[in-house]
Amino acid sequence: SQKIEQNSEALNIQEGKTATLTCNYTNYSPAYLQWYRQDPGRGPVFLLLIRENEKEKRKERLKVTFDTTLKQSLFHITASQPADSATYLCALGERDDKIIFGKGTRLHILP
Amino acid sequence: GAVVSQHPSRVICKSGTSVKIECRSLDFQATTMFWYRQFPKQSLMLMATSNEGSKATYEQGVEKDKFLINHASLTLSTLTVTSAHPEDSSFYICSAAPLAGSTDTQYFGPGTRLTVL
Repeated sequence: SQKIEQNSEALNIQEGKTATLTCNYTNYSPAYLQWYRQDPGRGPVFLLLIRENEKEKRKERLKVTFDTTLKQSLFHITASQPADSATYLCALGERDDKIIFGKGTRLHILP
Repeated sequence: GAVVSQHPSRVICKSGTSVKIECRSLDFQATTMFWYRQFPKQSLMLMATSNEGSKATYEQGVEKDKFLINHASLTLSTLTVTSAHPEDSSFYICSAAPLAGSTDTQYFGPGTRLTVL
């Protein structure tokens, strides 16, 4: 069956450290993968998109990797700050333009 | 830029009534808009895809007669939950894809919290 798996448990990271979130998928062949941030009671905010032919993408303190062999994406936040605390969603973009979301990982950056 | 608004942000209604939620792209034209619902601690579930001027495409299991979608212009899509019941209580989120881009770029609205009593 098709699955998108993100760390189901909340992730607690000390301020200043690098937070790494994982997104694994099964039985999908996404054309691209996206990461979103979602704060409680709010809609998702787009962060980064990485395509199937790209290995890594960076944007300021954010870095995303995409390994289509492992069927995994890693999302890194370097020099983490308490303001980075939120739920982070990965989403797979299929070739028919459909996007499927994971359940998200709640990240807490501890001061 | 690329702001999407939703109205209302919260609505409480009685069982059996209908509720309309508006989704507007404020500073760009959206050829395609998407409607999602999200249950607590769950992922966003795509309900339907609407293209301006044509009928919406509903995902499997979503009742098109219950969730009426109208995409009358390039900046406005509406979702009407008809004869709402408590199980329809959820967080409804829309997103819009810019006219000039592809649908891999979506901008999300802030969501609407619907509570049906």
